[in-house]
Amino acid sequence: NAGVMQNPRHLVRRRGQEARLRCSPMKGHSHVYWYRQLPEEGLKFMVYLQKENIIDESGMPKERFSAEFPKEGPSILRIQQVVRGDSAAYFCASSPLSRGGELFFGEGSRLTVL
Amino acid sequence: ELKVEQNPLFLSMQEGKNYTIYCNYSTTSDRLYWYRQDPGKSLESLFVLLSNGAVKQEGRLMASLDTKARLSTLHITAAVHDLSATYFCAVDIMYSGGGADGLTFGKGTHLIIQP
Repeated sequence: NAGVMQNPRHLVRRRGQEARLRCSPMKGHSHVYWYRQLPEEGLKFMVYLQKENIIDESGMPKERFSAEFPKEGPSILRIQQVVRGDSAAYFCASSPLSRGGELFFGEGSRLTVL
Repeated sequence: ELKVEQNPLFLSMQEGKNYTIYCNYSTTSDRLYWYRQDPGKSLESLFVLLSNGAVKQEGRLMASLDTKARLSTLHITAAVHDLSATYFCAVDIMYSGGGADGLTFGKGTHLIIQP
């Protein structure tokens, strides 16, 4: 059973470009979470999605950031018009349960904005 | 807003010694997680603590939870170099009654174990 798969593992963008990060949850998991980790910091919750639904996006910046989890295919975190402050590691986690289930993390996508 | 504080944030210790990492949180919750992260890697789940007084042990690591004190500890016994990593505690907001989703993480404890 493959774990949570994220790609790309590393992404370099120039200011103003778009970044798209993908996450395929573990088989059988329909709940996906995105977290952001700044250097020397813990992970910060961004958004929680189920298939075709955004359940909680209270941790997402109001502008430039969006997330989706379509019926088919991976979950995507999209950052438009990136700025240097967006440089971070973005982790996806999946869970088989809607509440209180253990989260299984992917290896992260490290975004560097030049 | 739920706050999760770990201390110490940096710890350098010698092999064979014992030490404890502390995790305090600011509001009621009865579900707490400990994770390990190696540099450039993902988070590995170590322990899930589900109730007051819960104690779990795996090898040289032991975690406990006191929900009344809002405190969890991660104790390292007779440390070995392989345990060098960053350790995070995380609290489940939903179980704090706040109604939100997602875990709130501490800043992590960078642990270096020297031979």
